[in-house]
Amino acid sequence: DAKTTQPPSMDCAEGRAANLPCNHSTISGNEYVYWYRQIHSQGPQYIIHGLKNNETNEMASLIITEDRKSSTLILPHATLRDTAVYYCIVRVITDSWGKLQFGAGTQVVVTP
Amino acid sequence: NAGVTQTPKFRVLKTGQSMTLLCAQDMNHEYMYWYRQDPGMGLRLIHYSVGEGTTAKGEVPDGYNVSRLKKQNFLLGLESAAPSQTSVYFCASGDPTDYGYTFGSGTRLTVV
Repeated sequence: DAKTTQPPSMDCAEGRAANLPCNHSTISGNEYVYWYRQIHSQGPQYIIHGLKNNETNEMASLIITEDRKSSTLILPHATLRDTAVYYCIVRVITDSWGKLQFGAGTQVVVTP
Repeated sequence: NAGVTQTPKFRVLKTGQSMTLLCAQDMNHEYMYWYRQDPGMGLRLIHYSVGEGTTAKGEVPDGYNVSRLKKQNFLLGLESAAPSQTSVYFCASGDPTDYGYTFGSGTRLTVV
């Protein structure tokens, strides 16, 4: 199964863009990159996902490199409510059951 | 539309006691999952189900049993609780082609 590597923590100023990197150098061709976040003590929340192309939704943008070995989640205008642990996950589809494997994630702290 | 509901939200058990955690979803999802999260760590998969009447082991299944008698419910049982099972338990549901899994708000279990 492909694994991901994320920095353990990062700070961001309120109103600025937050760029969260993720390495997934062993990703397979049919595996998607997913991003979830977990605000303190709550259940994880889906943010965005992608396969090859860059993706954007109302929450964030996802930039995937051409070789798919790394990606970046962009929060365009960080707010204090974006303080959370962000998980980069490669969706395992070995048996079509799509289990999610969580790593330690990146603790993002947005400061005023 | 409640999404994923977990009961109870909090519980304290004595070593050796048994209990059942209930997860209920109203989105008609096929897949359901039980995760545990220990302090400062990511989520680890305990058991999962790909449909009514099916269950399978995840990453850390020892000491737990599950049942999926109805599509909307996924039960997690602890037959003889141990202090090592002190954790926050999250339930999630999704579909094979779903881009995002929905998580419950968690059950905080303490075994003394």
